Amino acid sequence: DAGVTQSPTHLIKTRGQQVTLRCSPKSGHDTVSWYQQALGQGPQFIFQYYEEEERQRGNFPDRFSGHQYPNYSSELNVNALLLGDSALYLCASSLATDSGANVLTFGAGSRLTVL
Amino acid sequence: GQNIDQPTEMTATEGAIVQINCTYQTSGFNGLFWYQQHAGEAPTFLSYNVLDGLEEKGRFSSFLSRSKGYSYLLLKELQMKDSASYLCAVMDSNYQLIWGAGTKLIIKP
Repeated sequence: DAGVTQSPTHLIKTRGQQVTLRCSPKSGHDTVSWYQQALGQGPQFIFQYYEEEERQRGNFPDRFSGHQYPNYSSELNVNALLLGDSALYLCASSLATDSGANVLTFGAGSRLTVL
Repeated sequence: GQNIDQPTEMTATEGAIVQINCTYQTSGFNGLFWYQQHAGEAPTFLSYNVLDGLEEKGRFSSFLSRSKGYSYLLLKELQMKDSASYLCAVMDSNYQLIWGAGTKLIIKP
């Protein structure tokens, strides 16, 4: 049973470029959340997708956008890249619930370096 | 604002016990999570507390005091493989996870 898979694992871009990161959730999960994790920091919530719609959004600019497909896979797009966007981007999947015990299963992340 | 505080780094000896503290101030509370993250890897779930008290799971235990906005993760019989970062996260009133910066635990032989 595959867990959460993310691609690519590493990539290098230059300022001003655009990037698309991809995520396939764990089998049976229907909700995908994206996080940005800077070196030595905890994850910062970007947004969450459920039923192909953005359900929640953290404090990130509109340059960060996403999409969820009918098979629950998801993409994170970042436009007009800045040096400060260099980070590990984590995708986490879960099963939608109103309960607080919503355990996230994380992928290994995509390491983005912006030069 | 919302804030999660935990020590940046701790060092302990193999076979010993270590307690990692976490204090929080959030808009509402719907549970507290502890995750383990080895360098270069994904965070993995360790524990969840929503009621006051101690939750024990093998060598790991987690404690919560909602009135004090405080939790700790207790690791017993430390092994070298326990060297990792330990992340404390609180689910707020919007069911959004607020994360601490993590505590890097170094285990020495």
